[in-house]
Amino acid sequence: GEDVEQSLFLSVREGDSSVINCTYTDSSSTYLYWYKQEPGAGLQLLTYIFSNMDMKQDQRLTVLLNKKDKHLSLRIADTQTGDSAIYFCAERGSNYQLIWGAGTKLIIKP
Amino acid sequence: KAGVTQTPRYLIKTRGQQVTLSCSPISGHRSVSWYQQTPGQGLQFLFEYFSETQRNKGNFPGRFSGRQFSNSRSEMNVSTLELGDSALYLCASSLEAGSSGNTIYFGEGSWLTVV
Repeated sequence: GEDVEQSLFLSVREGDSSVINCTYTDSSSTYLYWYKQEPGAGLQLLTYIFSNMDMKQDQRLTVLLNKKDKHLSLRIADTQTGDSAIYFCAERGSNYQLIWGAGTKLIIKP
Repeated sequence: KAGVTQTPRYLIKTRGQQVTLSCSPISGHRSVSWYQQTPGQGLQFLFEYFSETQRNKGNFPGRFSGRQFSNSRSEMNVSTLELGDSALYLCASSLEAGSSGNTIYFGEGSWLTVV
């Protein structure tokens, strides 16, 4: 069945780049998404990539998609304390619903 | 432009009661989806509505139901509440249903606690 996997934690130093990885199983996915969730809040859409693209850049965010390996990554340049949150990867499955990863908690060290 | 609005934001209910949650999508958006988020199960799809019709349904019991009105506002209802229904319920809106609905925005969620 459809499945999305991501590491549960990532710890980086302030100012460094953060790279959050995600793998998915549904090769028919049309869109892949990155959402950010801060404590007690809803989901904030960070960026998305269409499946026929391999890269998308938006200010400090870079999304890389390796469709052959079904691997998606989110790079956050110059990581700041305000980037502390849980980051969710999601694919739009064959039934158009979003299939979610478990979320990666990004921890920023001073 | 207002975002996705969910009400109420927090509520406490007793086992056996029922609850109705409301979602107003972004103006112009016609597709509304609902998701349940719990620490144990993560984010799970409940259902999706488009033009007042349920297009997709997740793997939840019949106690979970929803509807969409002509103005695209949506409600979800959970009857005979169980302790395990305690969760954050998130509503998402997008312009269209299906593969053309690429930007999906979420509300702040409704925190339901069942005691």
